[in-house]
Amino acid sequence: DAMVIQNPRYQVTQFGKPVTLSCSQTLNHNVMYWYQQKSSQAPKLLFHYYDKDFNNEADTPDNFQSRRPNTSFCFLDIRSPGLGDAAMYLCATSRDLGTSSPLHFGNGTRLTVT
Amino acid sequence: TQLLEQSPQFLSIQEGENLTVYCNSSSVFSSLQWYRQEPGEGPVLLVTVVTGGEVKKLKRLTFQFGDARKDSSLHITAAQPGDTGLYLCAGENSGTYKYIFGTGTRLKVLA
Repeated sequence: DAMVIQNPRYQVTQFGKPVTLSCSQTLNHNVMYWYQQKSSQAPKLLFHYYDKDFNNEADTPDNFQSRRPNTSFCFLDIRSPGLGDAAMYLCATSRDLGTSSPLHFGNGTRLTVT
Repeated sequence: TQLLEQSPQFLSIQEGENLTVYCNSSSVFSSLQWYRQEPGEGPVLLVTVVTGGEVKKLKRLTFQFGDARKDSSLHITAAQPGDTGLYLCAGENSGTYKYIFGTGTRLKVLA
């Protein structure tokens, strides 16, 4: 089945230690997104790629970076995680921007910062 | 800044009861989607509504998009424990094509 896969499901990192979360998709979708979701809150968009074009949200901290080396993979790098960065990180894809293209989410990576 | 407010924020009901969740904004959206998210998983799309006044049904779930495309509602008939989860509406910004998520409604259906 075509899907969005995130690895790992759970990640523990130390305060200030860089961490990378990964996402892969078999849907061949043009757009890949990273969302941050804190406990019982709505997902908050950090950034998205339309093909190779990177679009950062204005309020996304510089501490968060992303890479999309090819259509299938996208990475979220947190350069110096703080305690406030503990959250569920959700990767999503959509076929296109607009045209009501629905979002297809992975199951997320839960990040703990110690 | 576009905001989508959902109400109620929390809802705990008995199996068999009916309920309605509201998603409201002062902004107009090109389309609106409803997702359900279960603990430890990503949100799963339930429905997309595009036309003002549109009504869609998915088994016991009825979704309506407001005439002015600023609000939406989700009605569940005869709720079941399997309906438990976090319900999220997401509006598509017509200028940026990005989705803005609502504040969420956490539903618990007791057997």
